[in-house]
Amino acid sequence: SQQGEEDPQALSIQEGENATMNCSYKTSINNLQWYRQNSGRGLVHLILIRSNEREKHSGRLRVTLDTSKKSSSLLITASRAADTASYFCATDEKGGGNKLTFGTGTQLKVEL
Amino acid sequence: NAGVMQNPRHLVRRRGQEARLRCSPMKGHSHVYWYRQLPEEGLKFMVYLQKENIIDESGMPKERFSAEFPKEGPSILRIQQVVRGDSAAYFCASSSDRVYEQFFGPGTRLTVL
Repeated sequence: SQQGEEDPQALSIQEGENATMNCSYKTSINNLQWYRQNSGRGLVHLILIRSNEREKHSGRLRVTLDTSKKSSSLLITASRAADTASYFCATDEKGGGNKLTFGTGTQLKVEL
Repeated sequence: NAGVMQNPRHLVRRRGQEARLRCSPMKGHSHVYWYRQLPEEGLKFMVYLQKENIIDESGMPKERFSAEFPKEGPSILRIQQVVRGDSAAYFCASSSDRVYEQFFGPGTRLTVL
């Protein structure tokens, strides 16, 4: 698998349900960031979690990081139709010079 | 506080022409990054610059592509003699320090005819 690979590739849920997306990576990292991208638009920064953190919350978002398994998860609670977008994780590798490595993303569709 | 600005938002070029993409980082940010996104794919790193310096260009094709971030003015990504394979969305991001969040601009969508 490639660095920063998201799982699942696509997810379809009903409004009000929770959505969980996972990200796996290969190398040691300084931090991991989650971004949202609406179709044909730019990226919106959601949350950054540092390598020495295990969990972080921001509104309806909850991010976990397990450096021993090289994985992260993004949980969106009480989803809304407006959450429909692609979600990407991006890693900042140690010694990588601060460039971000993105996965191919999870396409989330929240239906009414 | 304005976010990262990119222009143009859409750019159409014929094969062999030059494309110039501009990026103005967020106020107070001195680090600029360029990424390219092909359809249905994630973003791929191209180049990382600080004022007047290229820090990392490991993701940039060796030929036809160049980037600069002058002391005054925006960062420029320049693609010479464009080919159809250059068609993509090009995103610029900026950060205030090399270990913190990167904030992205709206992107420039380049179409090569």
